[in-house]
Amino acid sequence: DTAVSQTPKYLVTQMGNDKSIKCEQNLGHDTMYWYKQDSKKFLKIMFSYNNKELIINETVPNRFSPKSPDKAHLNLHINSLELGDSAVYFCASSQDFLRGPHEQYFGPGTRLTVT
Amino acid sequence: AQKITQTQPGMFVQEKEAVTLDCTYDTSDPSYGLFWYKQPSSGEMIFLIYQGSYDQQNATEGRYSLNFQKARKSANLVISASQLGDSAMYFCATRRPGAGSYQLTFGKGTKLSVIP
Repeated sequence: DTAVSQTPKYLVTQMGNDKSIKCEQNLGHDTMYWYKQDSKKFLKIMFSYNNKELIINETVPNRFSPKSPDKAHLNLHINSLELGDSAVYFCASSQDFLRGPHEQYFGPGTRLTVT
Repeated sequence: AQKITQTQPGMFVQEKEAVTLDCTYDTSDPSYGLFWYKQPSSGEMIFLIYQGSYDQQNATEGRYSLNFQKARKSANLVISASQLGDSAMYFCATRRPGAGSYQLTFGKGTKLSVIP
């Protein structure tokens, strides 16, 4: 069974469109995240969400909005797509106990190409 | 603010040899964690090893070990007996506490190539 899954794996769309990427984790984790990996492989946090609070990286445009229907799902909705949004988007989850490593488990990534 | 520096954009190692991937960090948090992730060409991110700032011993996981030098703020990854399947991007990361979450800050990565 896949621990963290994302759909779709590839997404090609035109500028100005609105698209969503879905993420599901079956690990029973409390917290989920979205990361963006650019063309130079640099990974940067976009959001974290633990069913109580959404933490938004201040550099993320408000065209990006996370939506969490329940603890196991954290979807990413993007409005008015721009060329610079082309990247690989990773969903991740972790169990946030008071102590422990809190390692994050990543989904397979969604490669978004905006033309 | 937290910062991770990986100074080696690319590394080569002969198969069956050991290799050290460098990572230095800068954080103002008294308690922090350090992680290494592997990203093969297929693209997935694979968790390798974790070191807590208060852990007395260096972390080890199979062929992976973490050379943690707190005073020097370094957390180098050592891979012993390299295998062809170790060829990948390797990312060092540190976590920072937020309100109920622990976001990771990543370095720029090191591309490791294992030569047969």
